[in-house]
Amino acid sequence: AQKVTQAQTEISVVEKEDVTLDCVYETRDTTYYLFWYKQPPSGELVFLIRRNSFDEQNEISGRYSWNFQKSTSSFNFTITASQVVDSAVYFCALSGGGTGRRALTFGSGTRLQVQP
Amino acid sequence: DAMVIQNPRYQVTQFGKPVTLSCSQTLNHNVMYWYQQKSSQAPKLLFHYYDKDFNNEADTPDNFQSRRPNTSFCFLDIRSPGLGDAAMYLCATSRVTGVVSGANVLTFGAGSRLTVL
Repeated sequence: AQKVTQAQTEISVVEKEDVTLDCVYETRDTTYYLFWYKQPPSGELVFLIRRNSFDEQNEISGRYSWNFQKSTSSFNFTITASQVVDSAVYFCALSGGGTGRRALTFGSGTRLQVQP
Repeated sequence: DAMVIQNPRYQVTQFGKPVTLSCSQTLNHNVMYWYQQKSSQAPKLLFHYYDKDFNNEADTPDNFQSRRPNTSFCFLDIRSPGLGDAAMYLCATSRVTGVVSGANVLTFGAGSRLTVL
């Protein structure tokens, strides 16, 4: 069985603060994929990043960075110098690597509020 | 812009009254998915179409049906909505070559929020 835990239900920060969203996952698959999606108030889920289980390199994209650590089964997401437009619900998700494993297992989401 | 469009954005129905939600896409993606997202919960996959092949998740209630008349459109039919079916319904698409796998990146629509009175 697969499971994704996002222990932080809601985080509130002031603009320009750095914030880290935690994600811990469980899977028995040796090949798997991890994702982060952003859900702004408008409702659509927006893809941010995908990592496969064999690529533990951290990634940086502008103000966003991701830290993948297989040893602790974590895939944390950091926003540097947060902005009001970053306010959204962020979902971490996991899927198995085998063919036919089409369902994403989402965490329960972390609501980020960035105050001006 | 190419996108996934869901209609209506908000739907109110009465207990037991059938409802249909629609999804259209201009991405020419061959896979279309329907997810259910209840308040403050994670999205949950109901089913997906790979081209014309329908794939139901094992725990999707029979009350939920889907139709895909062509590549661009997919419909979600709820035959007899109950109070527990009130949720946001998210349509997503993906371009898949070969078989559907966990690597696929999904493009989501803005969702249809269903209220059941």
